[in-house]
Amino acid sequence: RKEVEQDPGPFNVPEGATVAFNCTYSNSASQSFFWYRQDCRKEPKLLMSVYSSGNEDGRFTAQLNRASQYISLLIRDSKLSDSATYLCVVGMNYGGSQGNLIFGKGTKLSVKP
Amino acid sequence: ETGVTQTPRHLVMGMTNKKSLKCEQHLGHNAMYWYKQSAKKPLELMFVYNFKEQTENNSVPSRFSPECPNSSHLFLHLHTLQPEDSALYLCASSQDFGGTPTYEQYFGPGTRLTVT
Repeated sequence: RKEVEQDPGPFNVPEGATVAFNCTYSNSASQSFFWYRQDCRKEPKLLMSVYSSGNEDGRFTAQLNRASQYISLLIRDSKLSDSATYLCVVGMNYGGSQGNLIFGKGTKLSVKP
Repeated sequence: ETGVTQTPRHLVMGMTNKKSLKCEQHLGHNAMYWYKQSAKKPLELMFVYNFKEQTENNSVPSRFSPECPNSSHLFLHLHTLQPEDSALYLCASSQDFGGTPTYEQYFGPGTRLTVT
């Protein structure tokens, strides 16, 4: 079983639509959760961290369900500039040192006029 | 943004060549990483350095050799690569405070490597 699984898409949506991405992770010891965004031929950039209580940043809302090992990202009022690949990322810690990030393959979003 | 820089941005090399990739971070972080990103695959962690010490080597072939002379610089030395090593090589950095949680990483623009 893959460590972080996402629907690869593509999700093709019109401007103004609401779109949701889901992600599941296999290791229940995972401790940190993020959504990264990667534009075509560019590096990944942090979009937002995901907290157990859920969190919102403008049009973006992230949710975490530890019991189901499930993370979601909701984008409201989609803009053309939201077109990108969205990477679900899970972090683990080992002892007292910095842990590693495990990346999903990403979900591709294309917002059309 | 110039938090993490990588050179060169593009590299074409033959299987018998030796080359090096360079990464520099200007964020004051103490952990640095090399990742490989191939088409249709998730990012694969290759090496981790914490406080200049290598803490992880994810079963990477010896034709890839990392070097971390200080907490701001990271190199990836390449020799006798194979065509399947063609990929985007990304460097990242983060701040390790120890314990939980794992903090976000900041990526450089990557080096697109083609092995012929």
